[in-house]
Amino acid sequence: KAGVTQTPRYLIKTRGQQVTLSCSPISGHRSVSWYQQTPGQGLQFLFEYFSETQRNKGNFPGRFSGRQFSNSRSEMNVSTLELGDSALYLCASSYRDLETPNTEAFFGQGTRLTVV
Amino acid sequence: AQTVTQSQPEMSVQEAETVTLSCTYDTSESNYYLFWYKQPPSRQMILVIRQEAYKQQNATENRFSVNFQKAAKSFSLKISDSQLGDTAMYFCAFMKPLSTSGTYKYIFGTGTRLKVLA
Repeated sequence: KAGVTQTPRYLIKTRGQQVTLSCSPISGHRSVSWYQQTPGQGLQFLFEYFSETQRNKGNFPGRFSGRQFSNSRSEMNVSTLELGDSALYLCASSYRDLETPNTEAFFGQGTRLTVV
Repeated sequence: AQTVTQSQPEMSVQEAETVTLSCTYDTSESNYYLFWYKQPPSRQMILVIRQEAYKQQNATENRFSVNFQKAAKSFSLKISDSQLGDTAMYFCAFMKPLSTSGTYKYIFGTGTRLKVLA
């Protein structure tokens, strides 16, 4: 079974630009979450999508947005990039339905975004 | 709001010895899950062990075990017979299902960088 796939692995963007990151979950997983990882802050929760709907959102500005498609693939978009957005962005998928409590989240290898 | 604290930014241990990583959390909830994740230099986060809060018995997975103290809100990870491959960043995580929306959110600690020395 293929794992969680994130593309691209590395990105370099300039301030003010926008960027779109992609995440393909494990087959059968309908829940996809996004995290920002920085050395000083650890992993910060961005948002979670389940069945194409955003179910939960962290404390990030509106420049960070996402969506999920009918095949459960998810994209994350960051507009008007700032230097502080440089980070590793991790995506995690899990098998979950509304009756079953979540257990394990499977992570991708992340996208390293550098804003210059 | 829930918080997770890992007070040891870096640790080292000799190969074959035992090391304990600390984690404390703060919550008013009674139903939740706790996890330890490992992130090696390859960046892939891997689940090491999980604990359901309603279970009093400490979880174990081969060389990995936890000391779960619910009243003290402590969840430490013990690694026995440390191996070079255990070198990684270790994250403690708290997860609570949100019954109103059927969703959940993980809250991670800032991590402990563990180095196993040959």
